[in-house]
Formats: sequence, structure tokens, C-alpha cells
Amino acid sequence: SQQGEEDPQALSIQEGENATMNCSYKTSINNLQWYRQNSGRGLVHLILIRSNEREKHSGRLRVTLDTSKKSSSLLITASRAADTASYFCATDVTGRRALTFGSGTRLQVQP
Amino acid sequence: DSGVTQTPKHLITATGQRVTLRCSPRSGDLSVYWYQQSLDQGLQFLIQYYNGEERAKGNILERFSAQQFPDLHSELNLSSLELGDSALYFCASSVGLQGELFFGEGSRLTVL
Repeated sequence: SQQGEEDPQALSIQEGENATMNCSYKTSINNLQWYRQNSGRGLVHLILIRSNEREKHSGRLRVTLDTSKKSSSLLITASRAADTASYFCATDVTGRRALTFGSGTRLQVQP
Repeated sequence: DSGVTQTPKHLITATGQRVTLRCSPRSGDLSVYWYQQSLDQGLQFLIQYYNGEERAKGNILERFSAQQFPDLHSELNLSSLELGDSALYFCASSVGLQGELFFGEGSRLTVL
């Protein structure tokens, strides 16, 4: 089964609105990362948050991590049509050597 | 452009055949990862190499094999292909054993 599970599976919003995606995971992690994938393209790294961090910002992105609840959220503020993509969380699990990806959230931003 | 190069971009072949996918990592990256992305299974980790040595294995079938060469490029060999092997195969690289991954654009394999 997947280590990380994103919620919702799909999200449709209007340009200018904020988009929030959540990720839950099952075991202890070293860090959690968010990636973006445009349809049929390679994944692009967005942000990495370490297990001892609670919040991180990068431009219009805000990521939070709650290790007690084993969950993370990605907030995209003031969304644009160009933000339309799938977003994946990936966990760097203690004792494992490769990132484990969730099933992703498909975000559609309507112009 | 991530700096990771994958070839071929598209490949159509028949069941029972064998194909080789190639990956050149970013300059300076020692780790190479292979992932398979299909509609029903999501992004599945197959195998990781670090500086020429296998470091981790995921859900890689026995029909699949990989290697990393001294120049750090990697090849993923898929044999006795089945319809279910149709997927996007991604290569990713990183500087070390952990951290941010840089993905190539993928090789789309269609098995008919």
C-alpha cells in the first residue's frame, strides 16, 4: 500500500482562489517532499520539509507538517491556470532508501 | 529542464519482447532511481543505484533488471514484456542517497 495518501484525489477551483491538498502517511519519516507533475511530464520538486520543521514557505506555496498526526498539507495561494497539474507528496521513510510517493491530487484551476 | 535525460521518449513493442530504457543523470549526481507510473498503480519505486552499486530495490519484477555504468548513466532492461508493463518509466537522480529528486521526462512504453 502507499505510504502517503493525498486528499482530495481531485480539486477544481477558480483562478485566484487558494488550493489546499493534504497528505497522510503511516510511519516515521526523515522528511516529506511535494512534487508537481504536468500531464504526462516528469515530476518537479516543489519543497522539502524535514521532520523537525512545522512549516515552510516558497513563493506562493506553504507546507505544514504535523508529525504527531502523520500529516502534511500543501497550500497554493492565489492560484493560476498554470498551476493546473497533479501534486504528489513523497515521504523519506526512516530505514528506507527511496522516496515513496502518494497517489496524487489532480488540481484544475479554471481561468 | 531537470538535467536528467531519458531515451527513448516513446516506445511501442509487442508482448514477449525486450526493451532497454536509458537514463543520463544530472551532472554530479551519483544516485539514479527508476520509477514506474501507471494509471492503476500510481508511481512505484523500482530500483536505486548509487555510484554504480545497487542500493535499494522496490517492486521490481524479476523480468526487469537495471545497472549503472561507470559514467553513471543507467539502463533499465524489461524483458518478456506483458500488456500490463505498459506505463511511463521515470528515471530520477540525486546528489546523494537522500534529498530532492530530479526527474527526467520519462519513457512511455506501450506493449501491444
